[in-house]
Amino acid sequence: KAGVTQTPRYLIKTRGQQVTLSCSPISGHRSVSWYQQTPGQGLQFLFEYFSETQRNKGNFPGRFSGRQFSNSRSEMNVSTLELGDSALYLCASSLVPGAVNTEAFFGQGTRLTVV
Amino acid sequence: LAKTTQPISMDSYEGQEVNITCSHNNIATNDYITWYQQFPSQGPRFIIQGYKTKVTNEVASLFIPADRKSSTLSLPRVSLSDTAVYYCLVGDMGSGSARQLTFGSGTQLTVLP
Repeated sequence: KAGVTQTPRYLIKTRGQQVTLSCSPISGHRSVSWYQQTPGQGLQFLFEYFSETQRNKGNFPGRFSGRQFSNSRSEMNVSTLELGDSALYLCASSLVPGAVNTEAFFGQGTRLTVV
Repeated sequence: LAKTTQPISMDSYEGQEVNITCSHNNIATNDYITWYQQFPSQGPRFIIQGYKTKVTNEVASLFIPADRKSSTLSLPRVSLSDTAVYYCLVGDMGSGSARQLTFGSGTQLTVLP
C-alpha cells in the first residue's frame, strides 16, 4: 500500500510569507501528527489530528496551525515565516491517536528554507 | 511522558553486533518502549516495540530488564546501511489518549567498513 505522502518535498520562502504543507496518510489511517526537525532542537511535536479534530498540540506559537479533512488528509500552515522556521517538517500517520501504542508511519518530509 | 537518555554516538564495524542502551528511570506502569531509526532527510522508521523481557523481530531485538528503567536495542551483524540515528521513545499504550511521540536526541550509529 502507498506510504505517507508529503508535498512539496522542498520549498523556499521569504521571511514574512506564509506556507502550507500537505500530508496524505496511509489509506485507512485516521490519525496524523506533525513534527518539526532542526539540527539544534531535534524532532519536536507540533500537533496531532484525529477524525478532523486536533487532539494535542506542542509548544509552538500560534503562527503554526493545522487542519484535517474528512478524507484524513492534513495540512499545516505557518504564517509570518521567520528564519528559524527553516526545518524538515515531518508528518506521521497511524491507525489510532497516541502513536506510541502502534506503529507511526512517517513521510519523507518537506524541507522548508526561509530566506 | 518519561524522559529518555541515550548515548549521543556509537561506532561499530560491519558484521558486529551493536547494542544501544536507553535509560528511562521514570517509566510508568502503562508505558511501552519503542525504537525508531532515521536516515538523513527521511522520516523515522519504526524498528521494534516492547513492554518487558525480550522482543525479537526480523531486524532487531529489544531487551528490557525487570525494573524496566532501561532497555537495550540489539542490532545483529550490522552493515554500512545501518548507519543512522536511533531513537528510544517511552509512552503510554492507553487507547484514545492523545499522546504525542516525544523524541530525545537519539544515538548516531556509524558503521565502519
